[in-house]
Amino acid sequence: AQKITQTQPGMFVQEKEAVTLDCTYDTSDQSYGLFWYKQPSSGEMIFLIYQGSYDEQNATEGRYSLNFQKARKSANLVISASQLGDSAMYFCAMREGSSGTYKYIFGTGTRLKVLA
Amino acid sequence: DSGVTQTPKHLITATGQRVTLRCSPRSGDLSVYWYQQSLDQGLQFLIQYYNGEERAKGNILERFSAQQFPDLHSELNLSSLELGDSALYFCASSGSGAGGLQETQYFGPGTRLLVL
Repeated sequence: AQKITQTQPGMFVQEKEAVTLDCTYDTSDQSYGLFWYKQPSSGEMIFLIYQGSYDEQNATEGRYSLNFQKARKSANLVISASQLGDSAMYFCAMREGSSGTYKYIFGTGTRLKVLA
Repeated sequence: DSGVTQTPKHLITATGQRVTLRCSPRSGDLSVYWYQQSLDQGLQFLIQYYNGEERAKGNILERFSAQQFPDLHSELNLSSLELGDSALYFCASSGSGAGGLQETQYFGPGTRLLVL
């Protein structure tokens, strides 16, 4: 069974508008971490934002925020005021396991295109 | 710049050959992970090392092997190469930083392997 599900293979957003990229996860662990990465066409994987399972507040990093709904097991990424440079592939990931032996699972990604 | 370095950036070789990919983790990170990303595919976890010891194995072929050295750099060896091994190979490291950042993976720029 898919542990990380990204249901949107591709999305378009107008420049300066906000966009939400969906991510749902499945785990029986109480302690886990959720991450979002950006992969532009150049190929590198860029860490964007982290949310711990015990964090009560949603994580924010500049224009990125993570809408964490624990009961629904969702960890959606919100990008505010989209820029052309935001066009990229976005991956949601989850960390399970204990210290020193973590298992990271990645979703299949959402390709975002920002329109001028 | 994530602080993780990978060499070489590009590698072109022939079927049946053997190559070695090298990774230096961020300063202070004890864990190194290797991933394979084929064209338009998500990230496939291959193997994890923690402070020199193998900790977890993913979908790693028997033709592939890895090790982490006392100075914490890691090498991924790919042998008897096939056309299907052409992919982007990422190294990631984690383990330093405080709180949730300790479990955040930071990725190197990747090695793009082309097998002809």
